[in-house]
Amino acid sequence: DAKTTQPNSMESNEEEPVHLPCNHSTISGTDYIHWYRQLPSQGPEYVIHGLTSNVNNRMASLAIAEDRKSSTLILHRATLRDAAVYYCILGGSNYKLTFGKGTLLTVNP
Amino acid sequence: NAGVTQTPKFRVLKTGQSMTLLCAQDMNHEYMYWYRQDPGMGLRLIHYSVGEGTTAKGEVPDGYNVSRLKKQNFLLGLESAAPSQTSVYFCASSYPPNPDRGLNQPQHFGDGTRLSIL
Repeated sequence: DAKTTQPNSMESNEEEPVHLPCNHSTISGTDYIHWYRQLPSQGPEYVIHGLTSNVNNRMASLAIAEDRKSSTLILHRATLRDAAVYYCILGGSNYKLTFGKGTLLTVNP
Repeated sequence: NAGVTQTPKFRVLKTGQSMTLLCAQDMNHEYMYWYRQDPGMGLRLIHYSVGEGTTAKGEVPDGYNVSRLKKQNFLLGLESAAPSQTSVYFCASSYPPNPDRGLNQPQHFGDGTRLSIL
């Protein structure tokens, strides 16, 4: 399975944009890029996913590099509620998601 | 809608005891999953089910059994609990893979069961 690499932790200030990077240099052509987040003491929550084109939804934007070897999850205005562990996951020909350690995002007031 | 509900939320067991964790979903999802999460680690898939009456092994199935007698319920059993099974257990559910939306459908998770085995 293709793997992802994320920073262990990042810090942001409230109401500022946050760019969470993910490297996936061995991604295959059919792998979608999924992002989940896990708030403290809760189960993971789906954020967004995409294949090649940039994607937007009410929670975030996903920017995918042209060669697809990296992607960036963008939170346009971080709030305290966005403090969580963010997981970048590749999903290919099966439905099983492999969660790594993710990036712990701290949001400062 | 309640989404995915896990019962119980907390439990303490003694080594060798048995118990069953219950997961219920009200979204009419075909697929259901059990994960465990240990400190500082990501989630690891224990077992999953692609429909009523079916189950399959995930990444770390040893020491666990599952049953999917009804579409909305997925049970995780520990026959003889061991301290190594102390963990937070998450259940999730999803629609079947959709080739038009990237095969993996978003998974919806419960809030977990915190299990300690002494």
